[in-house]
Amino acid sequence: NAGVTQTPKFRILKIGQSMTLQCAQDMNHNYMYWYRQDPGMGLKLIYYSVGAGITDKGEVPNGYNVSRSTTEDFPLRLELAAPSQTSVYFCASSTTGETQYFGPGTRLLVL
Amino acid sequence: GQNIDQPTEMTATEGAIVQINCTYQTSGFNGLFWYQQHAGEAPTFLSYNVLDGLEEKGRFSSFLSRSKGYSYLLLKELQMKDSASYLCAVRDRSSGSARQLTFGSGTQLTVLP
Repeated sequence: NAGVTQTPKFRILKIGQSMTLQCAQDMNHNYMYWYRQDPGMGLKLIYYSVGAGITDKGEVPNGYNVSRSTTEDFPLRLELAAPSQTSVYFCASSTTGETQYFGPGTRLLVL
Repeated sequence: GQNIDQPTEMTATEGAIVQINCTYQTSGFNGLFWYQQHAGEAPTFLSYNVLDGLEEKGRFSSFLSRSKGYSYLLLKELQMKDSASYLCAVRDRSSGSARQLTFGSGTQLTVLP
């Protein structure tokens, strides 16, 4: 199993540009999550999903959108990038909702 | 809402024992997790406590007191590779079936030779 994979690993965006952060898992997990981590801080939940077709907002959803058309994929969309969205983004998944397994992260810089 | 506090930084010597504390306030506690995160890497799961007491896993142990809203992670026989950030995370019953976690800001542990 590859576990949780994320692409790209690193991206520089200009203010106002859009992009999609990809996340995929091959463990057949129902629960998937998107977090952002700012320097020296903990993880903040952006969006989560409990299964295909079901998504909901977390603690910091503004400026982001998600979709969950399949069990495996959970992309995160930034429509109008802002400097405040400069962060490291982690995707995670879990089966029973106990242990969450994290992807390697995407480092995003908005200039 | 939830409030999770843990020290920002700690330093210890190789071979020693270190205890990282975490205090939390939540209306419906439903589990506490510890994760390890090396610089530039993803968090990895270390331990899970939902009942009071000590859970031991090799060199790492985690303790929980629900009445005090308190947990600690104990690392024994410290090795240089244990230098990392240690994240405390709490699950609340209000998260329902989503099993959402709220993370503390992390404790950066530096192990010195």
